[in-house]
Amino acid sequence: IAGITQAPTSQILAAGRRMTLRCTQDMRHNAMYWYRQDLGLGLRLIHYSNTAGTTGKGEVPDGYSVSRANTDDFPLTLASAVPSQTSVYFCASSASGGADTQYFGPGTRLTVL
Amino acid sequence: GQNIDQPTEMTATEGAIVQINCTYQTSGFNGLFWYQQHAGEAPTFLSYNVLDGLEEKGRFSSFLSRSKGYSYLLLKELQMKDSASYLCAVRDSNYQLIWGAGTKLIIKP
Repeated sequence: IAGITQAPTSQILAAGRRMTLRCTQDMRHNAMYWYRQDLGLGLRLIHYSNTAGTTGKGEVPDGYSVSRANTDDFPLTLASAVPSQTSVYFCASSASGGADTQYFGPGTRLTVL
Repeated sequence: GQNIDQPTEMTATEGAIVQINCTYQTSGFNGLFWYQQHAGEAPTFLSYNVLDGLEEKGRFSSFLSRSKGYSYLLLKELQMKDSASYLCAVRDSNYQLIWGAGTKLIIKP
């Protein structure tokens, strides 16, 4: 593994189903982030974690949850998917939650029908 | 509210120079980033400005004026591979990144 990986690459999901998007980084970065990207809008922060064991809410957290059990993994869970959660989801990491550059994973394209 | 403004789309010719502008209004300022994003791919880091002035990195340069809430990304000697979206992002007082919607740059031969 080099950098950040995300799984799955894409997924079609029925509304009401539960879904976990996976994110793993091997850079030993302390901070990790989940964004969604929708056409015509900037990246919007869903949740973040400045260090293992802590998480925080971003701009659009409703309907999503995260956990940070260790440094490398930061899964994003949709408890009961709705069509408005159709989007491209990017995981990112940075050395710390302060002034460091964020590096992005390849993204997961999620369609909720 | 917080706001980042960029043109939606720009067109330029291979070999030419293009300037992509970004204006911002945010609660605090702790640096401005430019990222490049090719269609269907992840954003990749291009440049970072925290002090006023010009930062040059090869064919790409980025300028910042904090008093005007303004930045631009200058791309020289344009190549077809520069066709991409360019994202401007400002780190606010909470050290969170606020993102613009991006500028889609189309390069024509």
